[in-house]
Amino acid sequence: DAGVIQSPRHEVTEMGQEVTLRCKPISGHNSLFWYRQTMMRGLELLIYFNNNVPIDDSGMPEDRFSAKMPNASFSTLKIQPSEPRDSAVYFCASSFVGGPSEQYFGPGTRLTVT
Amino acid sequence: EDQVTQSPEALRLQEGESSSLNCSYTVSGLRGLFWYRQDPGKGPEFLFTLYSAGEEKEKERLKATLTKKESFLHITAPKPEDSATYLCAPFAQGGSEKLVFGKGTKLTVNP
Repeated sequence: DAGVIQSPRHEVTEMGQEVTLRCKPISGHNSLFWYRQTMMRGLELLIYFNNNVPIDDSGMPEDRFSAKMPNASFSTLKIQPSEPRDSAVYFCASSFVGGPSEQYFGPGTRLTVT
Repeated sequence: EDQVTQSPEALRLQEGESSSLNCSYTVSGLRGLFWYRQDPGKGPEFLFTLYSAGEEKEKERLKATLTKKESFLHITAPKPEDSATYLCAPFAQGGSEKLVFGKGTKLTVNP
C-alpha cells in the first residue's frame, strides 16, 4: 500500500491567496483527519471525517479554513484567504472507523505564507 | 479539557545510555494511549497502543508502559537511529476518534 498521500509537499504563497491541500487516505480506511503542526502549539487536530461525513470541526481555527471529503479516496483542506500565521506543516491521517484506532499519517504539506 | 504533558522537551543521550521519556495526562475515563515516532520532515509513525494500566509493549530497544496517570517510553541502549521526536496521545473509553497529542520529546542519540 502506498500509504497516505498528500500534495503538494511544499507550498509557498502570498498573503491573501487561496491555498488548497490534498489528501488521499489509505484504501479501506474510513476515517480521515487533518492536523496542523507548529513549534509553538504542536500537533493539533483541525477536523475529522467518518465515511466522508465531517464529525468534529471544532479545531478549525477560523471561517477561512474549510475541508471537504467528496468521496472515500479524496479530501481537501482549503484556506482562503491565507495569512502568514497559517504557516505550518499540515498532515492528513487515516484510520479504520470504530476507534479510537491507530492513525496513519501522510508526509505532510509545509505551507509558507509570506 | 484533556491535557497531555511530555517531559523532558528534549533529551540528549550517548549511544548505549538508557533513559525514559514521560507522558502525563488528565483524561476522564482513560481507555488507552498511543505512542508515535516522528522523524524530521516526516509524518508521525505509529509505534504502540497500550490499553490498560500495567500493560507493557516492546519493540526493539523501546518499551512502553502505562498507568492511570502517565506512560513511560523506556529506551534501552539507544542507537543514533533512535533519534526522533516521540509523541504520545491518550484516548478515553467510549470516546471519539479525536486525539490530543503531547508536544513531544525530541531525542538525540550521539554516537
